[in-house]
Amino acid sequence: GNSVTQMEGPVTLSEEAFLTINCTYTATGYPSLFWYVQYPGEGLQLLLKATKADDKGSNKGFEATYRKETTSFHLEKGSVQVSDSAVYFCALGKTSYDKVIFGPGTSLSVIP
Amino acid sequence: GAGVSQSPSNKVTEKGKDVELRCDPISGHTALYWYRQRLGQGLEFLIYFQGNSAPDKSGLPSDRFSAERTGESVSTLTIQRTQQEDSAVYLCASSFSRNTEAFFGQGTRLTVV
Repeated sequence: GNSVTQMEGPVTLSEEAFLTINCTYTATGYPSLFWYVQYPGEGLQLLLKATKADDKGSNKGFEATYRKETTSFHLEKGSVQVSDSAVYFCALGKTSYDKVIFGPGTSLSVIP
Repeated sequence: GAGVSQSPSNKVTEKGKDVELRCDPISGHTALYWYRQRLGQGLEFLIYFQGNSAPDKSGLPSDRFSAERTGESVSTLTIQRTQQEDSAVYLCASSFSRNTEAFFGQGTRLTVV
């Protein structure tokens, strides 16, 4: 079946460090891939998405590239800020009738 | 409405009571999801509605949980005979179609005492 795997957290980084949160997926066909973010005390919101292979989604300095050959959608940011502290969820949406599937989430804490 | 609306935002109930949670999706969104998020945990899928198709109930944890949706409008999640382990934030999300991003409500925080 379809599934999403994320690196386990929590992840703690110093401000201005480089961030990578790994995400790999299992799915047939050509799913759309998403990263959602949940800031403390807030609801989930879409951070970025990619709908086909080799697409790069980007927003707020975050990037993720849809790699079909490695079935991955790793989230990266070159220089994190304290305000990036949140839980990040990788998600998969199929093209056929199916629900969006979320990974377990990765908690990120950025310290000054 | 402008976004997904959930009510109530907080609910405290006694063990054994029934509760009903409501979700108003974004107008025109055919897909609607319910998830559960326990404190410090990830999202646990509960149920998925897509248009007039039969809902995907594969995530409902027990027969005490049920959900309904009328057409492409409001959905209610009902938990019967609540237990303490039901305490969590219940999140509703809707999307325009099955393969587009989901928009989440703020959730209902349920506390069973």
